[in-house]
This record gives sequence, C-alpha cells and structure tokens, in this order.
Amino acid sequence: RKEVEQDPGPFNVPEGATVAFNCTYSNSASQSFFWYRQDCRKEPKLLMSVYSSGNEDGRFTAQLNRASQYISLLIRDSKLSDSATYLCVVQTSYDKVIFGPGTSLSVIP
Amino acid sequence: DAGVIQSPRHEVTEMGQEVTLRCKPISGHNSLFWYRQTMMRGLELLIYFNNNVPIDDSGMPEDRFSAKMPNASFSTLKIQPSEPRDSAVYFCASSSLGGGRKAFFGQGTRLTVV
Repeated sequence: RKEVEQDPGPFNVPEGATVAFNCTYSNSASQSFFWYRQDCRKEPKLLMSVYSSGNEDGRFTAQLNRASQYISLLIRDSKLSDSATYLCVVQTSYDKVIFGPGTSLSVIP
Repeated sequence: DAGVIQSPRHEVTEMGQEVTLRCKPISGHNSLFWYRQTMMRGLELLIYFNNNVPIDDSGMPEDRFSAKMPNASFSTLKIQPSEPRDSAVYFCASSSLGGGRKAFFGQGTRLTVV
C-alpha cells in the first residue's frame, strides 16, 4: 500500500461548481499535512496546511480526520484558474515529506 | 528573496554519461529534499537531508544515483552512468522546522537521456 493515496481523477467540473478531493495516509504517526497545487510543467506550490480543527482559506476548506487517517480539500465556486493537479502531502515520522499521486482538476467554462 | 535555485533547467545527455544536478536551498532552511517526477510514478522522494546530513535515502532507485550536501547552501544529485529510464523532472525542495515542514520547490531540472 502506498503511503499517501488520492482519488485518481481527473475531475472535470463547470465553473462555479463545488469539488472535493480526498486523501488517505498509512502512517498513523504522521505529524503534518498539506495540500499543494501543481500547474502543468511547473513546480508544486503550497496551497494550504491542514489542521486538526479544519481550516479555511477563501474558497478552499481543508479537513483532517486523524482517526480515519483521512484528509480532504473542498473548493467552492470553482474558477477556470483552479485547473491544476492537487497533491496531498504528509510529513511522516523522521521528517519525511511524502506526496500523493495527485488529482487532476479541469474547470470548464 | 530568492527561492530554491536549481541548475540546469534542462539537460539532454547520452546514455552512459554522468549527469550532475545542482540545488541551492532557501537561506536558513535546514532540510533539503530531492524528488523525481514522471507521468507513471508521480512525485517520488529520492533522498532528504537535515542539517546537511542524509537522513533517508531509501528512495534512491539504485547505486547509480548519489547525492551530497557539502554545506547548508548547496546540494548535488549525480547519476552515473545515466540510462534512458532516468528521464524525468528532478525537483529540489527545502524547508525549515520552524515552518512546519512546508516545502518550497525549485523549478526543476528536466532530464532527457537518449
């Protein structure tokens, strides 16, 4: 089993839609969690950290369920500029930072 | 403020040649990561350093790959000899413990081995 797994995608949604991405991780000792965004042929960039209490940044909401080892990202009112690959990232014990395979999102006019 | 700097941006080499990729992390960051990205395997962690010391190199695919970090501002990833299956984008990232392990990436080196 991979350390970090995500919905395979791709997700194709119309502008204005709400879309949710899911992620699971295998190491229960994992300490920190993030969502990154990667545009085509670019480097991954930090989108937001994920906190146990859940956190929101504008149209983006991240949730963490440690008991289920599950992370989610919700994007509301999606924009064309949200089209990218979204990567779930987990910092495991010993400071190892592991990326999930990513889920591709295309927002359609 | 300069981000993570990688060089070269693109490298085309012949099978069997030695390839050296370079990375300058963000000043003050004490962790450095090397990743490889391909369509088939996604973003794979090859090796990471804390305070210039290699902590986990279990992701290094084989002995042809080696990485060094002689000081806090420089790291290299070397492939010798290179093979066509090494073709990928290689990313370097750095982070600091105080930053909650948020990793910042360089623009990557696109390696093509022919």
